[in-house]
Amino acid sequence: DGGITQSPKYLFRKEGQNVTLSCEQNLNHDAMYWYRQDPGQGLRLIYYSQIVNDFQKGDIAEGYSVSREKKESFPLTVTSAQKNPTAFYLCASTHRGQPQHFGDGTRLSIL
Amino acid sequence: AQSVTQPDIHITVSEGASLELRCNYSYGATPYLFWYVQSPGQGLQLLLKYFSGDTLVQGIKGFEAEFKRSQSSFNLRKPSVHWSDAAEYFCAVGAGSGGGADGLTFGKGTHLIIQP
Repeated sequence: DGGITQSPKYLFRKEGQNVTLSCEQNLNHDAMYWYRQDPGQGLRLIYYSQIVNDFQKGDIAEGYSVSREKKESFPLTVTSAQKNPTAFYLCASTHRGQPQHFGDGTRLSIL
Repeated sequence: AQSVTQPDIHITVSEGASLELRCNYSYGATPYLFWYVQSPGQGLQLLLKYFSGDTLVQGIKGFEAEFKRSQSSFNLRKPSVHWSDAAEYFCAVGAGSGGGADGLTFGKGTHLIIQP
């Protein structure tokens, strides 16, 4: 079945540590997105990429970094500069103007 | 910049009763509008979308929504809710070409509670 796989489902970070969240899709979609979800806040766009080797900042990119070396992969790194990283992170993808399709998310917590 | 407002944080409905969830948007051009549903700890599932054409759109699970340009609204409706409809519902507007190529702007969500 085609879809988006986010891993791990749960992730813990120590203070001052960088962590990377994985997002892989086998839908052959061109565009991929990262959103952050906090309770009562809806989803906010962190980064997006419409093509391999290119990406743009979203509304809350500070403290995060991404890469897009392969069409099917769009990993998100939460750096130590992100002072409040505890959240639910959702990856999405789309192709040719179709609605975004979402993965099942990764919940990041601070130890 | 675009924005989405969902005025109701929580809504409680009896099973079998009708449902309407409100959504108002602000967007400078023709909007691409979406309703998604989220179960606890899960990703988002698309219920329906509006890109153009007929202002009453049908979605999955018996949901429908009506686009009203004059009111900048895109309210979600269901004639008879089931206990399995209890979830978080998000309205979103798409920026960029093709329905959101530059990302989606979401409302803060409405938590739907179903009473037996």
